[in-house]
Parts: sequence; structure tokens; C-alpha cells
Amino acid sequence: QKEVEQNSGPLSVPEGAIASLNCTYSDRGSQSFFWYRQYSGKSPELIMSIYSNGDKEDGRFTAQLNKASQYVSLLIRDSQPSDSATYLCAGSGGGADGLTFGKGTHLIIQP
Amino acid sequence: DAGVIQSPRHEVTEMGQEVTLRCKPISGHNSLFWYRQTMMRGLELLIYFNNNVPIDDSGMPEDRFSAKMPNASFSTLKIQPSEPRDSAVYFCASTIYGTGFTYEQYFGPGTRLTVT
Repeated sequence: QKEVEQNSGPLSVPEGAIASLNCTYSDRGSQSFFWYRQYSGKSPELIMSIYSNGDKEDGRFTAQLNKASQYVSLLIRDSQPSDSATYLCAGSGGGADGLTFGKGTHLIIQP
Repeated sequence: DAGVIQSPRHEVTEMGQEVTLRCKPISGHNSLFWYRQTMMRGLELLIYFNNNVPIDDSGMPEDRFSAKMPNASFSTLKIQPSEPRDSAVYFCASTIYGTGFTYEQYFGPGTRLTVT
């Protein structure tokens, strides 16, 4: 059974610091990985996608993928209070497959 | 551009009643997904369609659940009869299926279902 594991948190980070979120997955056949941000009572919002080993940067966000270790991470630089949310890690087998989600990490940015 | 549209946004019904949730994917998207989110189980895939054809319904919990996609711009998820344990937020998401695309899924606002 495909599983995606995340530490539920809460993860508390001071404003301006780097927030580091981690995720591991069980299915070696997974090809595509996504990070979503979800505010309380709202729908998941796509932040980053990553398909190849290594780093991918977009503004303050960097996604990292290590397929050998089955590990995905998200770094948020210069953390802002508005970054406080639940971050969901998801994987898929590639193509337009359904996503397998972790249960999310609750991130709190302290002003 | 309009995102994924879902209706109703909130639904409260009594146990045993039929519930129909509706979704309109982003224009031009040809893959549609139904997910359910609860505190206990997180976000789970129920079923997905490519080009209006159901591809994987292994996440549908029971025969009480059914989904259809009669055309490229409309899908329904029906629960009949509903039970209190069906209470959850139901999300619809869409993406473009085809060579060269990223398959990033975009979510609608969700339908919060409460079965009493």
C-alpha cells in the first residue's frame, strides 16, 4: 500500500528563519511529488512540484527530492506569519494518476 | 480564469438521504479527481477520470458511493444512502492529461458534508 509519511507537528519557526518540512514515501514507483499548502477551512493550494532528484527553487520555496532515500523536503526561506498553515506532501506514480497524500505538517511562524 | 467549481459548498442532510455533489473542472483540463478529507484519515483519493472515463475507483469506500462524468465539464459524486461516517469535506481537482504536461492538480473549494 502506498504511504506518505509526515511529522504532524506543530513545527514552530521564528519569523525570518528557514522552515524545513520533510516527507518520506513507501512506493518506489512514485515519480512525481507535490507540496500543497492548506489554510484552516480552505482547499489545498499547490506550491511546488518536483519530478527529478535534486533541488527545485521557486521564490522563497525550495523543494528537494532524493529517490534513493525516498525522501522529499520543502524549505521556506524568510518565513512569514502568512506561511502559517498545514503543508501536505503528495506523491503519484506519474502521469495523471491520483495523489497519495501525507497527513500534513502544521507550521507556525512566530512573529 | 475560473478555477475548479464545486457545489454545494455546504450540505447538511439526514442519515439515509441521497446526496449529490457536483464539480466543474478547469476549462481545458481532461482529468478529474474526487478526494475526501477527514481529521482521522487525511486527504484520500476516491476516484479519478481521464477524458471522462473512470480509471481508478478503488478508493470508493462502498457501493453507496458512485461517480459519473457525463461530459468534459461536469462530474457528480453521489452517496445513497448517506451515513454519519460520510461526514467530511469532499474536494474535486483537475489537471491536463497528456504528453509533456506536468499533471499538477488544482483543487476546488470543497463541499463540507454533514450527515446527522
